[in-house]
Amino acid sequence: DAMVIQNPRYQVTQFGKPVTLSCSQTLNHNVMYWYQQKSSQAPKLLFHYYDKDFNNEADTPDNFQSRRPNTSFCFLDIRSPGLGDAAMYLCASRGLADNQETQYFGPGTRLLVL
Amino acid sequence: SQQGEEDPQALSIQEGENATMNCSYKTSINNLQWYRQNSGRGLVHLILIRSNEREKHSGRLRVTLDTSKKSSSLLITASRAADTASYFCATDNTDKLIFGTGTRLQVFP
Repeated sequence: DAMVIQNPRYQVTQFGKPVTLSCSQTLNHNVMYWYQQKSSQAPKLLFHYYDKDFNNEADTPDNFQSRRPNTSFCFLDIRSPGLGDAAMYLCASRGLADNQETQYFGPGTRLLVL
Repeated sequence: SQQGEEDPQALSIQEGENATMNCSYKTSINNLQWYRQNSGRGLVHLILIRSNEREKHSGRLRVTLDTSKKSSSLLITASRAADTASYFCATDNTDKLIFGTGTRLQVFP
């Protein structure tokens, strides 16, 4: 089935050790998003791609980077994770639903920083 | 912050009762969407209402939108234990969603 897939579902890393989270979508959508969601909070947009055009939110820390090598895949790189970066990271792609564009979310990757 | 706010923050009801959640937002919108999130999971799109619509139904869901008050409500009728989740409104303006703070709904059997 067409969907947004995130791997791994759970990721443990050490303080300061670079980590990469993966997202893929089989929907052939040209827009993809990365969100950070901390416990009991709303998802917060980090950045998004419109095709290969990268759009960073103003308050996204420099520690967070992203790559989109092709339409299907998008990666979130955290260069030096801190304890405050422990969160759920949600990937989404944007396409048509009910004749209007909306976002389809993956199941998320929960990141734990030790 | 442009983030919307939802109330109540938490809601506990019995199965069969109706649940109403409210959302307020700050900016102009193209549409407003409601999402559901089970604990530790991703977000599932529930319903979308356009800025020129006032009410929309989908199964047991009823959404209203008042653009003059910048507010929306989600009504879940005849709730079930399986409706237990967090519910988020999200406003769509320029290809980006801005989420509200969410309502945690607990439905007791």
